[in-house]
Amino acid sequence: GAVVSQHPSRVICKSGTSVKIECRSLDFQATTMFWYRQFPKQSLMLMATSNEGSKATYEQGVEKDKFLINHASLTLSTLTVTSAHPEDSSFYICSASRAVNYGYTFGSGTRLTVV
Amino acid sequence: AQTVTQSQPEMSVQEAETVTLSCTYDTSESDYYLFWYKQPPSRQMILVIRQEAYKQQNATENRFSVNFQKAAKSFSLKISDSQLGDAAMYFCAYLPRETSGSRLTFGEGTQLTVNP
Repeated sequence: GAVVSQHPSRVICKSGTSVKIECRSLDFQATTMFWYRQFPKQSLMLMATSNEGSKATYEQGVEKDKFLINHASLTLSTLTVTSAHPEDSSFYICSASRAVNYGYTFGSGTRLTVV
Repeated sequence: AQTVTQSQPEMSVQEAETVTLSCTYDTSESDYYLFWYKQPPSRQMILVIRQEAYKQQNATENRFSVNFQKAAKSFSLKISDSQLGDAAMYFCAYLPRETSGSRLTFGEGTQLTVNP
């Protein structure tokens, strides 16, 4: 149990375009989901906390207008990278939890390349 | 604020041998959870083991076990009979014992190499 699905796994987009990444909890409901960014050989950096039915909470330094988060249902959160630029190229991962004492389950990640 | 420190950026072990990965953390809370996650080259984050702070008994999962020293705020991971598939980046993580919505705090990670 506690499966989190993330799509797409890889995406290449042109500079200036927008890209949407989906994160779904398949067998449980998640009122909260988290979005991370990870650079090679580094730890996960929390970008924002996605709350079902309300605005996301962004970490300091993360541009909320560039990284739009929508958590419209208890099983789906989306991250949209708007007007993408090469510096936005990175690995993005989402996570959710069925119950806090079991820790968090992670999606398989999305490798974004902006050309 | 809570912090998690992994002082070993890289470790290596011979296949079938035992290796211990270190993790220390800082918190003012008395009740919390600790986790070890594994991230292989596929980059999928996989939960290896978890420990509840109020439990004195060290958690074990097959070849994986922890040495949880609450007073010292230390949470090391021991991998016994290391296998090639254990090669990965390992992250120690802290989670406060609150209601849903609590955020994980990760360490910097330890890259484990398993030599045949």
